[in-house]
Amino acid sequence: EVVMTQSPAILSVYPGESATLSCRASQDISSNLAWYQQKPGQAPRLLIYGASTRATGVPARFSGSGSGTEFTLIISNLQSEDLAVYYCQQSNDWYPFGLGTNLEIK
Amino acid sequence: QVQLVESGGGVVQPGRSLRLSCAASGFTFSNYGMHWVRQAPGKGLEWVAATSFDGVATKCAGSVKGRFTISRDNSKSTLYLQMDSLRAEDTAIYYCAKEISVHSAFDSWGQGTLVSVSS
Repeated sequence: EVVMTQSPAILSVYPGESATLSCRASQDISSNLAWYQQKPGQAPRLLIYGASTRATGVPARFSGSGSGTEFTLIISNLQSEDLAVYYCQQSNDWYPFGLGTNLEIK
Repeated sequence: QVQLVESGGGVVQPGRSLRLSCAASGFTFSNYGMHWVRQAPGKGLEWVAATSFDGVATKCAGSVKGRFTISRDNSKSTLYLQMDSLRAEDTAIYYCAKEISVHSAFDSWGQGTLVSVSS
């Protein structure tokens, strides 16, 4: 069973700066990695799938990279509306989520 | 546009059963795999169960295996989750979600239905 580990648990960033979120898989999952954004009181929203493909309507400020066991989500030019918890997920055959990174805006 | 609407949540005693439904619209339901994901109060997301587009292949997370059953009725564009032998730790918001393609990420989510297991 693959375990997804996200870091950091909490990230505080100033508006306009960039935020780098990490996700590690306990086994090689190739590019079968998705990122989701969940704002308070809302359902999750797909941001990135296939490790690096932006979902429909997702701004270019969001970029994903990585393969194998190490993955990264970078949010550039941080906006106040980016306040959310971000989850990574293995997205093939089994679908475990990481525990999430809580992104705070300073 | 894609719409997923869950129903069937509520308060139930430990050991009892509950069936959740997810009504889908805005896409060809019978072409897509579907999933249930839950979120306990103040906690993260936990994948619960999946079904293939035709309902032939299903799988469940270890935490619910043998107690929960996922199914679908493509003629009604509806996804189900039969939950038996409920435990306090099953208390959560339950979301249904649609795959973007076979064995891939979830591109559409419902707003969720709350299940509370308590005596």
